[in-house]
Amino acid sequence: QQQVKQSPQSLIVQKGGISIINCAYENTAFDYFPWYQQFPGKGPALLIAIRPDVSEKKEGRFTISFNKSAKQFSLHIMDSQPGDSATYFCAASIEGSQGNLIFGKGTKLSVKP
Amino acid sequence: DADVTQTPRNRITKTGKRIMLECSQTKGHDRMYWYRQDPGLGLRLIYYSFDVKDINKGEISDGYSVSRQAQAKFSLSLESAIPNQTALYFCATSDPNRDRGNEQFFGPGTRLTVL
Repeated sequence: QQQVKQSPQSLIVQKGGISIINCAYENTAFDYFPWYQQFPGKGPALLIAIRPDVSEKKEGRFTISFNKSAKQFSLHIMDSQPGDSATYFCAASIEGSQGNLIFGKGTKLSVKP
Repeated sequence: DADVTQTPRNRITKTGKRIMLECSQTKGHDRMYWYRQDPGLGLRLIYYSFDVKDINKGEISDGYSVSRQAQAKFSLSLESAIPNQTALYFCATSDPNRDRGNEQFFGPGTRLTVL
C-alpha cells in the first residue's frame, strides 16, 4: 500500500491553542516524512521533516511526533497564530531512491483571533 | 526572481482544445514533477522526470503528456481538454543529492478551467 491517510480534513483552532494533524502510512519502507504548508494562491513549501530514527523533531512552534510501531506521525503547532492558517500536507517517501513523495489529502487549518 | 516559474498562471479553455502548461526552474535540479491539486484529494502526481532523457508516468497520467525540453524546462500538455481536468496544476523540482533529500520545491501553480 502506498497510501498516506491524513486527518482531519479541516481544523479550526483559537489563537494560542494547539493544532494537531495526524497521518498514518502503510509502507514500512518509507523513511522520510515531511510536512508541507500551503498558503492560498501559493505552491506548497516544506515546513518540517523527520526520519524514523527519532521520535520527535521540533522547529520553533512546529513539532513532528513519530510513532514507528503504529506507523503514524503527527504535526503539532503550539501557540497557533492566525498567520498559521493554511493547508497542511503530510507526505512519505523512500529517501535517496527513485521513490516519490506520497502526499496525504491535506488539512485546512483556520486559526481564529 | 522565483526559482520555479509556471506559465500561464490562469487559463480558461474549452472542451477539446489542446493546452500546454510550462514550467521553468533556475535551481539546477535534475528532477522535475507535475501534480494536480483538487479540493479534498490533495496532490496527485501526473508525470515526473529524473533527467532530460527520463520520463515516467505518475498516478494519474491518462489524458496528459509531457516534454522535458532541457534540464530547466518541463511542459505538461492536455491533448484534448475535458471539464474534469479543471484543477490547480503545480510543477516541482528536487535534487536528491541535497542535504534535505527528497525536498521538493513547488512553483506558484496554474489554475486551469475547462468549460
